[in-house]
Amino acid sequence: EAGVAQSPRYKIIEKRQSVAFWCNPISGHATLYWYQQILGQGPKLLIQFQNNGVVDDSQLPKDRFSAERLKGVDSTLKIQPAKLEDSAVYLCASSWRGANTEAFFGQGTRLTVV
Amino acid sequence: AQKVTQAQTEISVVEKEDVTLDCVYETRDTTYYLFWYKQPPSGELVSLIRRNSFDEQNEISGRYSWNFQKSTSSFNFTITASQVVDSAVYFCALSEANYGGATNKLIFGTGTLLAVQP
Repeated sequence: EAGVAQSPRYKIIEKRQSVAFWCNPISGHATLYWYQQILGQGPKLLIQFQNNGVVDDSQLPKDRFSAERLKGVDSTLKIQPAKLEDSAVYLCASSWRGANTEAFFGQGTRLTVV
Repeated sequence: AQKVTQAQTEISVVEKEDVTLDCVYETRDTTYYLFWYKQPPSGELVSLIRRNSFDEQNEISGRYSWNFQKSTSSFNFTITASQVVDSAVYFCALSEANYGGATNKLIFGTGTLLAVQP
Protein backbone atom coordinates (compact mmCIF):
# COMPACT_ATOMS: atom_id res chain seq x y z
CA GLU A 1 0.00 0.00 0.00
CA ALA A 2 1.46 3.35 -1.01
CA GLY A 3 1.90 5.89 1.77
CA VAL A 4 1.03 9.57 1.92
CA ALA A 5 2.84 11.42 -0.86
CA GLN A 6 3.93 15.03 -0.56
CA SER A 7 5.74 17.40 -2.87
CA PRO A 8 8.01 19.18 -3.05
CA ARG A 9 10.32 17.86 -0.33
CA TYR A 10 12.14 21.16 0.00
CA LYS A 11 11.32 24.74 -0.93
CA ILE A 12 13.18 28.00 -0.41
CA ILE A 13 11.39 31.27 -1.10
CA GLU A 14 11.79 34.92 -0.26
CA LYS A 15 9.42 36.58 2.18
CA ARG A 16 6.25 37.96 0.59
CA GLN A 17 6.37 35.32 -2.15
CA SER A 18 3.72 32.65 -2.46
CA VAL A 19 4.17 28.89 -2.24
CA ALA A 20 2.00 25.79 -2.58
CA PHE A 21 2.37 22.28 -1.24
CA TRP A 22 0.67 19.19 -2.56
CA CYS A 23 -0.51 16.04 -0.77
CA ASN A 24 -1.87 12.76 -2.06
CA PRO A 25 -3.33 10.69 0.79
CA ILE A 26 -3.48 6.93 1.09
CA SER A 27 -6.11 5.55 -1.27
CA GLY A 28 -9.52 5.37 0.39
CA HIS A 29 -8.67 7.62 3.31
CA ALA A 30 -11.49 10.12 3.77
CA THR A 31 -9.75 12.29 6.34
CA LEU A 32 -6.78 14.49 5.49
CA TYR A 33 -4.74 16.69 7.83
CA TRP A 34 -2.15 19.42 7.38
CA TYR A 35 0.24 19.97 10.28
CA GLN A 36 2.92 22.63 10.71
CA GLN A 37 6.11 21.63 12.52
CA ILE A 38 8.40 24.50 13.48
CA LEU A 39 11.98 23.52 14.31
CA GLY A 40 12.24 22.22 17.85
CA GLN A 41 8.48 21.91 18.31
CA GLY A 42 5.88 19.23 17.87
CA PRO A 43 3.53 19.32 14.89
CA LYS A 44 0.48 21.57 15.17
CA LEU A 45 -2.74 20.95 13.26
CA LEU A 46 -3.53 23.63 10.68
CA ILE A 47 -6.57 22.11 8.99
CA GLN A 48 -8.52 18.85 8.83
CA PHE A 49 -10.72 17.74 5.92
CA GLN A 50 -13.36 15.04 5.89
CA ASN A 51 -13.73 14.22 2.19
CA ASN A 52 -13.76 17.72 0.68
CA GLY A 53 -15.30 19.48 3.69
CA VAL A 54 -13.37 21.33 6.40
CA VAL A 55 -13.75 19.84 9.88
CA ASP A 56 -11.30 22.02 11.80
CA ASP A 57 -9.33 25.05 10.64
CA SER A 58 -9.24 26.89 13.95
CA GLN A 59 -5.43 27.22 13.91
CA LEU A 60 -5.04 28.12 10.25
CA PRO A 61 -3.84 31.73 9.76
CA LYS A 62 -6.55 32.50 7.25
CA ASP A 63 -5.15 35.88 6.26
CA ARG A 64 -2.28 34.15 4.47
CA PHE A 65 -2.90 30.40 4.46
CA SER A 66 -5.48 28.57 2.40
CA ALA A 67 -6.14 24.92 1.68
CA GLU A 68 -8.43 22.95 -0.54
CA ARG A 69 -9.23 19.34 -1.20
CA LEU A 70 -10.92 19.11 -4.54
CA LYS A 71 -12.93 15.94 -5.13
CA GLY A 72 -12.03 14.69 -1.68
CA VAL A 73 -8.68 13.21 -2.70
CA ASP A 74 -5.57 15.36 -3.26
CA SER A 75 -5.04 18.52 -1.26
CA THR A 76 -3.10 21.75 -1.73
CA LEU A 77 -1.91 24.08 1.01
CA LYS A 78 -0.96 27.61 -0.04
CA ILE A 79 0.79 30.46 1.72
CA GLN A 80 0.51 33.95 0.30
CA PRO A 81 2.40 36.07 1.18
CA ALA A 82 4.98 34.09 3.15
CA LYS A 83 6.62 35.43 6.29
CA LEU A 84 9.91 34.44 7.89
CA GLU A 85 8.03 32.71 10.72
CA ASP A 86 6.38 30.35 8.23
CA SER A 87 9.68 28.47 7.92
CA ALA A 88 8.75 24.97 9.04
CA VAL A 89 8.04 21.44 7.89
CA TYR A 90 4.52 21.00 6.58
CA LEU A 91 3.25 17.49 7.19
CA CYS A 92 0.26 15.91 5.53
CA ALA A 93 -1.51 12.95 7.11
CA SER A 94 -4.53 10.84 6.26
CA SER A 95 -6.79 8.35 7.98
CA TRP A 96 -9.87 6.24 7.34
CA ARG A 97 -13.26 7.80 7.92
CA GLY A 98 -14.65 7.18 11.37
CA ALA A 99 -13.95 7.92 14.96
CA ASN A 100 -10.48 7.61 16.40
CA THR A 101 -8.77 6.09 13.42
CA GLU A 102 -5.01 6.21 13.17
CA ALA A 103 -3.35 8.89 11.06
CA PHE A 104 -0.49 8.09 8.67
CA PHE A 105 2.00 10.82 7.87
CA GLY A 106 3.93 11.78 4.76
CA GLN A 107 7.58 12.85 4.79
CA GLY A 108 6.71 16.52 4.79
CA THR A 109 7.78 19.60 2.88
CA ARG A 110 10.55 21.66 4.45
CA LEU A 111 9.92 25.35 3.75
CA THR A 112 12.58 27.98 4.29
CA VAL A 113 11.56 31.62 3.98
CA VAL A 114 14.51 34.02 3.59
CA ALA B 1 -7.17 22.48 27.55
CA GLN B 2 -5.16 19.53 26.32
CA LYS B 3 -1.40 19.59 26.75
CA VAL B 4 1.51 17.17 26.40
CA THR B 5 4.82 17.75 28.16
CA GLN B 6 8.07 16.02 27.28
CA ALA B 7 10.59 17.46 29.71
CA GLN B 8 13.60 15.73 28.18
CA THR B 9 14.83 17.72 25.19
CA GLU B 10 17.79 15.50 24.34
CA ILE B 11 19.06 12.17 25.60
CA SER B 12 22.34 10.54 24.64
CA VAL B 13 23.05 6.90 25.45
CA VAL B 14 25.54 4.28 24.40
CA GLU B 15 24.33 1.31 22.40
CA LYS B 16 22.78 -1.49 24.49
CA GLU B 17 21.79 0.84 27.29
CA ASP B 18 18.14 1.05 28.31
CA VAL B 19 16.49 4.45 27.98
CA THR B 20 13.15 5.84 29.15
CA LEU B 21 11.42 8.78 27.53
CA ASP B 22 8.96 10.63 29.74
CA CYS B 23 5.54 11.98 28.79
CA VAL B 24 3.03 13.80 30.96
CA TYR B 25 -0.33 14.87 29.60
CA GLU B 26 -3.27 17.04 30.61
CA THR B 27 -6.85 16.60 29.49
CA ARG B 28 -10.33 17.08 30.88
CA ASP B 29 -11.70 14.28 28.74
CA THR B 30 -12.42 10.96 30.38
CA THR B 31 -11.87 9.15 27.11
CA TYR B 32 -8.81 9.87 25.03
CA TYR B 33 -5.98 8.26 23.06
CA LEU B 34 -2.26 8.44 23.66
CA PHE B 35 0.42 7.89 21.05
CA TRP B 36 4.14 7.69 20.63
CA TYR B 37 5.60 8.63 17.24
CA LYS B 38 9.15 8.22 15.95
CA GLN B 39 10.53 10.82 13.55
CA PRO B 40 13.80 9.74 11.90
CA PRO B 41 15.92 12.22 9.91
CA SER B 42 13.84 11.45 6.81
CA GLY B 43 11.02 13.38 8.49
CA GLU B 44 8.13 10.94 8.33
CA LEU B 45 6.26 10.41 11.59
CA VAL B 46 5.84 6.71 12.32
CA SER B 47 3.32 5.57 14.90
CA LEU B 48 4.74 3.22 17.53
CA ILE B 49 1.70 2.76 19.74
CA ARG B 50 -1.89 3.94 20.12
CA ARG B 51 -3.43 3.46 23.55
CA ASN B 52 -7.02 4.00 24.69
CA SER B 53 -7.41 5.72 28.06
CA PHE B 54 -9.45 2.81 29.38
CA ASP B 55 -6.63 0.36 28.80
CA GLU B 56 -4.07 0.88 31.54
CA GLN B 57 -2.16 -2.30 30.99
CA ASN B 58 1.48 -1.87 30.20
CA GLU B 59 2.52 -3.06 26.78
CA ILE B 60 5.66 -4.63 25.41
CA SER B 61 6.57 -4.92 21.75
CA GLY B 62 10.02 -6.34 21.16
CA ARG B 63 12.52 -3.92 22.68
CA TYR B 64 9.83 -1.30 23.24
CA SER B 65 7.62 -1.03 26.30
CA TRP B 66 5.13 1.53 27.53
CA ASN B 67 4.04 2.38 31.08
CA PHE B 68 0.65 4.08 31.26
CA GLN B 69 -0.23 5.53 34.67
CA LYS B 70 -3.53 7.37 34.71
CA SER B 71 -3.07 8.43 38.35
CA THR B 72 -0.05 10.54 37.40
CA SER B 73 -1.15 11.30 33.81
CA SER B 74 2.01 9.77 32.44
CA PHE B 75 2.71 7.57 29.45
CA ASN B 76 6.40 6.71 29.47
CA PHE B 77 8.27 4.84 26.76
CA THR B 78 11.25 2.58 27.36
CA ILE B 79 13.67 1.19 24.79
CA THR B 80 15.60 -1.81 26.05
CA ALA B 81 19.08 -2.52 24.70
CA SER B 82 19.09 0.57 22.50
CA GLN B 83 20.55 0.46 19.00
CA VAL B 84 21.98 3.13 16.71
CA VAL B 85 18.90 2.78 14.49
CA ASP B 86 16.80 4.02 17.41
CA SER B 87 18.33 7.48 17.01
CA ALA B 88 15.44 9.83 16.17
CA VAL B 89 13.09 12.38 17.64
CA TYR B 90 10.27 10.79 19.63
CA PHE B 91 6.95 12.52 20.12
CA CYS B 92 4.23 11.77 22.62
CA ALA B 93 0.75 12.83 21.48
CA LEU B 94 -2.80 13.03 22.80
CA SER B 95 -6.11 12.89 20.97
CA GLU B 96 -9.57 13.29 22.41
CA ALA B 97 -11.98 10.46 21.69
CA ASN B 98 -14.30 11.36 18.84
CA TYR B 99 -17.74 9.89 18.57
CA GLY B 100 -19.52 12.76 16.90
CA GLY B 101 -17.56 13.38 13.73
CA ALA B 102 -15.50 16.23 15.15
CA THR B 103 -11.79 16.66 14.76
CA ASN B 104 -9.36 13.86 15.58
CA LYS B 105 -6.50 16.28 15.94
CA LEU B 106 -3.35 15.20 17.70
CA ILE B 107 -1.77 17.38 20.39
CA PHE B 108 1.96 16.76 20.31
CA GLY B 109 4.67 17.31 22.89
CA THR B 110 7.86 19.10 21.91
CA GLY B 111 9.70 15.85 21.32
CA THR B 112 12.81 14.18 22.72
CA LEU B 113 15.88 13.79 20.55
CA LEU B 114 17.46 10.42 21.26
CA ALA B 115 21.03 9.87 20.16
CA VAL B 116 22.38 6.34 20.47
CA GLN B 117 26.15 6.21 20.19
CA PRO B 118 27.88 3.07 18.92
